[in-house]
Amino acid sequence: GESVGLHLPTLSVQEGDNSIINCAYSNSASDYFIWYKQESGKGPQFIIDIRSNMDKRQGQRVTVLLNKTVKHLSLQIAATQPGDSAVYFCAENKPHPNAGGTSYGKLTFGQGTILTVHP
Amino acid sequence: DVKVTQSSRYLVKRTGEKVFLECVQDMDHENMFWYRQDPGLGLRLIYFSYDVKMKEKGDIPEGYSVSREKKERFSLILESASTNQTSMYLCASSLLGQGSTGELFFGEGSRLTVL
Repeated sequence: GESVGLHLPTLSVQEGDNSIINCAYSNSASDYFIWYKQESGKGPQFIIDIRSNMDKRQGQRVTVLLNKTVKHLSLQIAATQPGDSAVYFCAENKPHPNAGGTSYGKLTFGQGTILTVHP
Repeated sequence: DVKVTQSSRYLVKRTGEKVFLECVQDMDHENMFWYRQDPGLGLRLIYFSYDVKMKEKGDIPEGYSVSREKKERFSLILESASTNQTSMYLCASSLLGQGSTGELFFGEGSRLTVL
């Protein structure tokens, strides 16, 4: 889950293990969710997304699970590699009426989780 | 590839100075955003714009203003910088409209230190 205050949740895994990063989102009206990866000194980069009418979506080595009942999102990384070490953010989209009607509006981000992968 | 370019990676300013942070995107995106990123607080939205000359306040607009005179450029302005505005500032853009994913494309960030 997301922390409160200055200390980010951390997850340390061994290379080759599977990683699961969790996120609790706040707004039941959110209709779209994204996971971002941020490496040191860089801006966040898109990993995978999921719409609220789905409960699972798979990408290459990554899977996102959405549980709308408890407003929970998770990112699973298979066979984690040292290059996966980064801060991972979940983000939720709340539809904005002025930004194209039913299209997408602004994203609200979680506080992030630090993933460290040990060789 | 989408490119979002922030003009300055590192800036050091004094309290009370006026600060301009510039952002340019080359993908003809309608939406542009300014976030600030602080340890333990994630990314917080300052302002966003979904069209030229249009702007809306985000979650923490106090002490900031923005300008969107051209579609590709979105500027963040600190009229009188204060030490609590020391932060990493991230610009992002996205497509608008049905069928767009809402995915944000981020710049590399501008780290501002206010002394």
